[in-house]
This record gives sequence, C-alpha cells and structure tokens, in this order.
Amino acid sequence: AQSVTQLGSHVSVSEGALVLLRCNYSSSVPPYLFWYVQYPNQGLQLLLKYTSAATLVKGINGFEAEFKKSETSFHLTKPSAHMSDAAEYFCAVSLNTGGFKTIFGAGTRLFVKA
Amino acid sequence: DSGVTQTPKHLITATGQRVTLRCSPRSGDLSVYWYQQSLDQGLQFLIQYYNGEERAKGNILERFSAQQFPDLHSELNLSSLELGDSALYFCASSATGLGEQYFGPGTRLTVT
Repeated sequence: AQSVTQLGSHVSVSEGALVLLRCNYSSSVPPYLFWYVQYPNQGLQLLLKYTSAATLVKGINGFEAEFKKSETSFHLTKPSAHMSDAAEYFCAVSLNTGGFKTIFGAGTRLFVKA
Repeated sequence: DSGVTQTPKHLITATGQRVTLRCSPRSGDLSVYWYQQSLDQGLQFLIQYYNGEERAKGNILERFSAQQFPDLHSELNLSSLELGDSALYFCASSATGLGEQYFGPGTRLTVT
C-alpha cells in the first residue's frame, strides 16, 4: 500500500540554522512528490514538486528537496531558517494506479527560535 | 491568492443537520479535491472529481457526498452531522488529475 511518513511532528531550529524536514514514501509505481506549507488559518500552498525530471528540486522561499529513489525519500531543506518559515509542512504523493490518488503525510510543524 | 474560492468561510450548525460547502476551482482546472482537516485526524483526502466524474475516493463517510457540476464548481454535502464532523474543509484544484494542487482558504465547520 502507498504511504507517506514524515519523521518528527515538530521540529525546532534557530534562526539562520539549517532546516531539514524528512519525508519517506512507499509506492509501487513512480510517484509525483510534493511539499506544501500551511500558515495558520490558511490553506496549503505548494512549495515544490518532483515529477521525474531533475532529482534536486528548487522551490519557493529558498526551499529545495532531493528525490532519492534508493532511499524512497524526499527530504525538504533550507540552508538558513527565517522566522517567517514557521509553519506546518506537508509532504504528499500523487499516484496513478488506475485511479488518481493523493496521500498526504501527517505534517511537521516547524518552529524557528530567535 | 490561489484562485480557488470556497464558501462559506465559517459555518456553525447543530447535530443532525445538513450543510453544503461550495468550491470554485481555478480558471481552467478540471480536477477538484476535497479534504477534511482536524486536530486529531490531520489532513484527510475525501474525494476527487475530474471534469464532472468521480476519480478517486478516500476516507469519505457515507453521510458525505459530493459532485462537480458542468461549470466545474463542486459542492460537498454533509448530512446527519455529528460533533466529530467539526473541522476545516478544504477544496483544491489542479489542471490535470495528477499534478500540483491549489488550495482554497477552507470552510471552518463547527457542529454544536
């Protein structure tokens, strides 16, 4: 069965530190992978997407993610955290298994300390 | 602004009642998705429509139903409401059935 696992429901970093949010997936077919961000009282916003082109994907706000097939991972990184990055981040997988299916991870809340 | 609109923004109703949530996708998007977000269940995929046809079903209760109309707007109907149905309901749209999704601002449903 397809699934998405985000390691760590909460991650706390200092301003200026590296941000690393982990996502692993399981899929029997090539997936499309996404990271979304949700700010308080708002809908989800697309950060970046992987659709079988380059394995290193750059997104908005300085975020990037690397698709590693051998590790079935799609971790999200940002070299230097900013206070405005504090939000909840969701990893998602879209699959075409005869029907379309989208699976979201449980989310990781990022806290940024001054 | 994602271009996806949802109405109403807030809805307060009583147990046993029925409500309808409305979503208008981005111009040109054929696919509409519905999600439920609550503190205990997280973000749950409910159902997806593509150009008027149901394409995928997630954890949608039998008390809930949805449809997509010829003008591509969608409605989510929730009936026999229970306290546990209180949640944020998001609609999202995408150009195809498999690409990135654009989320609306959500409808906050409170069942009392």
